[in-house]
Amino acid sequence: AQKVTQAQTEISVVEKEDVTLDCVYETRDTTYYLFWYKQPPSGELVFLIRRNSFDEQNEISGRYSWNFQKSTSSFNFTITASQVVDSAVYFCALTGNQFYFGTGTSLTVIP
Amino acid sequence: GAVVSQHPSRVICKSGTSVKIECRSLDFQATTMFWYRQFPKQSLMLMATSNEGSKATYEQGVEKDKFLINHASLTLSTLTVTSAHPEDSSFYICSAMGRFEQETQYFGPGTRLLVL
Repeated sequence: AQKVTQAQTEISVVEKEDVTLDCVYETRDTTYYLFWYKQPPSGELVFLIRRNSFDEQNEISGRYSWNFQKSTSSFNFTITASQVVDSAVYFCALTGNQFYFGTGTSLTVIP
Repeated sequence: GAVVSQHPSRVICKSGTSVKIECRSLDFQATTMFWYRQFPKQSLMLMATSNEGSKATYEQGVEKDKFLINHASLTLSTLTVTSAHPEDSSFYICSAMGRFEQETQYFGPGTRLLVL
């Protein structure tokens, strides 16, 4: 069965600190996609990244970076030099026959 | 690109009335649209999946007669909450998946429903 675990419920960091959000998944599919979405207080989910199961290259986009480790079934998300605007709930998701969302990690960046 | 709109963004209604929420993909054709419900401080719960021109597939425990979903075109899906009650108050979010972008769902801004 597919499952996404985000063990960190809430994280608080001081502005400019780096923070890593963990995501561990379970799937029996050989081909799947992993996603990260950001949900700011306004409620709208913002697409951040999609990663195909065959592409284990890490990705960097500005202050954001993602580490995909198939061996440990993890797809962690790091924000470097965090800013107050990064405060949001972040969801990791996995495709199967539907979208499986993790329970989300609420990140608070303190000025 | 990949913009999804929802209307209304917020609605307050009396118990017993029906509420229609629209979800539109503005710059792409959405072969599949999804409707989610989110309670405060919780994750998204998939309610149903709809493909254009066919009946929606509802998740277990979701009343299809209460939550009517119509996906009449490649850019529009509607969710009607019939005879709404206070327990239906929630944040409803739609998402859309295009024909050519693999597996990615783009989400609307959500609709906050409050039933008095």
